[in-house]
Amino acid sequence: DAGVIQSPRHEVTEMGQEVTLRCKPISGHNSLFWYRQTMMRGLELLIYFNNNVPIDDSGMPEDRFSAKMPNASFSTLKIQPSEPRDSAVYFCASSRTGTRGAQHFGDGTRLSIL
Amino acid sequence: DAKTTQPTSMDCAEGRAANLPCNHSTISGNEYVYWYRQIHSQGPQYIIHGLKNNETNEMASLIITEDRKSSTLILPHATLRDTAVYYCIVRVQGGSEKLVFGKGTKLTVNP
Repeated sequence: DAGVIQSPRHEVTEMGQEVTLRCKPISGHNSLFWYRQTMMRGLELLIYFNNNVPIDDSGMPEDRFSAKMPNASFSTLKIQPSEPRDSAVYFCASSRTGTRGAQHFGDGTRLSIL
Repeated sequence: DAKTTQPTSMDCAEGRAANLPCNHSTISGNEYVYWYRQIHSQGPQYIIHGLKNNETNEMASLIITEDRKSSTLILPHATLRDTAVYYCIVRVQGGSEKLVFGKGTKLTVNP
């Protein structure tokens, strides 16, 4: 079975540019999570969706960040405009509710904002 | 969700059992204990979870004390590929699906 697929794996861009990260969850999973990992703050949840609806976005840092899930098989995390402090590894995870929800993580997108 | 406390780092010899402790003294009755690990440069990987009974799967065993205030993850025959950061997380079932990751334990398996 294909796991959670994230793209791109690496992104380097200049500050002020728009960045879009993409995630394809595991088929049949109905919850999707976006996490960010930095040395300073560790692994923190940004937002999660259940059945394509945002449930908890309390971890989204500020209005520059937005996330969408237009359908059950695709989600995006957008940063506009990007800043150097957004540099981090961004992980997407998915789970199937009702199964005591082990989350399955993708390999992450390593984002560097210059 | 209850807070967890784990040692910062541990070492284990290859082929020996690795026993990773976790303290969750404020755990409530409806909170499960989850274990994840993160191998360098990869996303976290689910290992096992439990409520009050001991659990075993193909990866590890989870021993939860009778008062549920602590638990131990056991990797019965550690290999070099088990070198990773191991996270112990408690979470309410049926509530928010949010996982709160702490700093975890960096396990180094030595040849």
